[in-house]
Amino acid sequence: GAGVSQSPRYKVTKRGQDVALRCDPISGHVSLYWYRQALGQGPEFLTYFNYEAQQDKSGLPNDRFSAERPEGSISTLTIQRTEQRDSAMYRCASSLAVGEGYEQYFGPGTRLTVT
Amino acid sequence: DAKTTQPNSMESNEEEPVHLPCNHSTISGTDYIHWYRQLPSQGPEYVIHGLTSNVNNRMASLAIAEDRKSSTLILHRATLRDAAVYYCILRGGTSYGKLTFGQGTILTVHP
Repeated sequence: GAGVSQSPRYKVTKRGQDVALRCDPISGHVSLYWYRQALGQGPEFLTYFNYEAQQDKSGLPNDRFSAERPEGSISTLTIQRTEQRDSAMYRCASSLAVGEGYEQYFGPGTRLTVT
Repeated sequence: DAKTTQPNSMESNEEEPVHLPCNHSTISGTDYIHWYRQLPSQGPEYVIHGLTSNVNNRMASLAIAEDRKSSTLILHRATLRDAAVYYCILRGGTSYGKLTFGQGTILTVHP
């Protein structure tokens, strides 16, 4: 079946512009997660949703970052007034349910470059 | 969050078994032990997880110490495709939703 999909796969934007990154989870998966990964580092947690409710946003670096999942399916991560330090791979994952016993399935990621 | 410690890198030869260690001396009773791996230029991929008992699946085995302060991921016959960064992650407590990735172990497999 279809896995997690993300779009766009690559995004180049100028400093100060807003960007929106989309994640389409595996059908039927209740939980959706956003991570950010710098080159040579492991992924860093940003936020996650259970259905449409944002359960934990402790990893969002500052108030320029926000995420939503209004209908409990597709999610959008928005970065306002982008800065060069926001350049990274942004990864989305989904799982059947939230909880320690459930594995997360990752998408291919969106490579964001801020110039 | 409870912390895990892994060797920075390990090497193996193709078709030999690989034992990847992970120390987690501060693990709590409700923490699950998860392993993920990340192949070059790909997203992380779930490998296996367990709580107290040893676990086997088609990809690997997970051996958990009796005191749960360490665990070992076992790849029974390494292939070139197993070359990846392997992450040992504890999930539980109030932050059970997220995965907290450390530096992981870079596994190199020689033909």
